[in-house]
Amino acid sequence: DIQMTQSPSTLSASIGDRVTITCRASQSISSWLAWYQQKPGKAPKLLMYKASSLESGVPLRFSGSESGTEFTLTISSLQPDDFATYYCQHYSTYPYTFGQGTKLEIK
Amino acid sequence: QVQLVQSGAEVKKPGASVKVSCKASGYTFTTYYMHWVRQAPGQGLDWMGVINPSGDSTTYAQKFQGRVTMTRETSTSTVYMELSSLRSEDTAVYYCARADYGGSGRYWGQGTLVTVSS
Repeated sequence: DIQMTQSPSTLSASIGDRVTITCRASQSISSWLAWYQQKPGKAPKLLMYKASSLESGVPLRFSGSESGTEFTLTISSLQPDDFATYYCQHYSTYPYTFGQGTKLEIK
Repeated sequence: QVQLVQSGAEVKKPGASVKVSCKASGYTFTTYYMHWVRQAPGQGLDWMGVINPSGDSTTYAQKFQGRVTMTRETSTSTVYMELSSLRSEDTAVYYCARADYGGSGRYWGQGTLVTVSS
């Protein structure tokens, strides 16, 4: 199985900060990576697919990039609505494993 | 618009089975695979498996093999996830998610809380 190692597990930041969350795959997944945002009591929401494609309706301050097996989600200028937990998921081969999650907290 | 509506919360005793439904609307049911993901209280997301509503083929995560069964009913555009031999560790919110863009979960059900307790 492909393992997804996500870091950091917790991130404290302020409104307006630029933040980066990283996911590393244990082997090549091409660009088959998605990023989700989840708020308490809600289903995950798709932000990015195919590593760097922005889902419709998602603000442009979110972006994704890749370098080999390392993938990054960047929020360019944090807004109050962005404080949530973020997950990566590969969808290269079954099983489609998730990263452990990053909780983004207000500093 | 695309909607995935799941069945309501369940309370089960250890050793029992639970069957959660996910009714799809707003699109052609057989066109998109459906995934099941669960989330234990305070924990991360755990991929359980996938069903192809067109051909009824399934793939399950190894940890659930032998205990999970995913089925579909095309006449009602509904997929089902049945988990047997329940234990307390199976207490979680169970989600269905439609696979788009090659496999990412673009649309999600609202989640179904399954509580396993004696």
